[in-house]
Amino acid sequence: GNSVTQMEGPVTLSEEAFLTINCTYTATGYPSLFWYVQYPGEGLQLLLKATKADDKGSNKGFEATYRKETTSFHLEKGSVQVSDSAVYFCALYRSGYSTLTFGKGTMLLVSP
Amino acid sequence: GAGVSQTPSNKVTEKGKYVELRCDPISGHTALYWYRQSLGQGPEFLIYFQGTGAADDSGLPNDRFFAVRPEGSVSTLKIQRTERGDSAVYLCASSLQAGDTYNEQFFGPGTRLTVL
Repeated sequence: GNSVTQMEGPVTLSEEAFLTINCTYTATGYPSLFWYVQYPGEGLQLLLKATKADDKGSNKGFEATYRKETTSFHLEKGSVQVSDSAVYFCALYRSGYSTLTFGKGTMLLVSP
Repeated sequence: GAGVSQTPSNKVTEKGKYVELRCDPISGHTALYWYRQSLGQGPEFLIYFQGTGAADDSGLPNDRFFAVRPEGSVSTLKIQRTERGDSAVYLCASSLQAGDTYNEQFFGPGTRLTVL
């Protein structure tokens, strides 16, 4: 079946530090991959996506590259801000299933 | 425009009671999804509708859970004989349609259900 594994949190960083949140997946075929973000008190929002191997998704300074050879989609940001504090979810979508499979989420805490 | 809304935002009930959770999707979205997010976990798929019909209900944990979407817009998730293990945040999402290619799913803020 489909599954997503992401690093456990919380990840605690100082402002302007470099961020990596690891995500690996298991799926047959060619899934689309996503990062969703959940800010405190708000609903899930799509942060970025990649639909095929070697695609790079990017948004708000965050990037992730679809690596089929390592079945990974790690989230990176060069310089985090306090406002980036949130829970980040890696997810996949398989054609024909119409639903998302999520990882457990990684909490990011950024201090000034 | 208005996003996905869910009511109530919080629901506290006693074990054994019946509850209904409501979702109003974005206008014009034909696909509607229900997910359940337990504490410390990611959202898990329950059921999705394309129009009025349930296209996939394979995620419903047992027959105490049921969902309807009679007019192809608002959906209600119904839980009978609630158990403490049903306590979670229930998320609703909608998209323009469901299909082979991904249509962005827009999520509501969720309903936090607590079963005492």
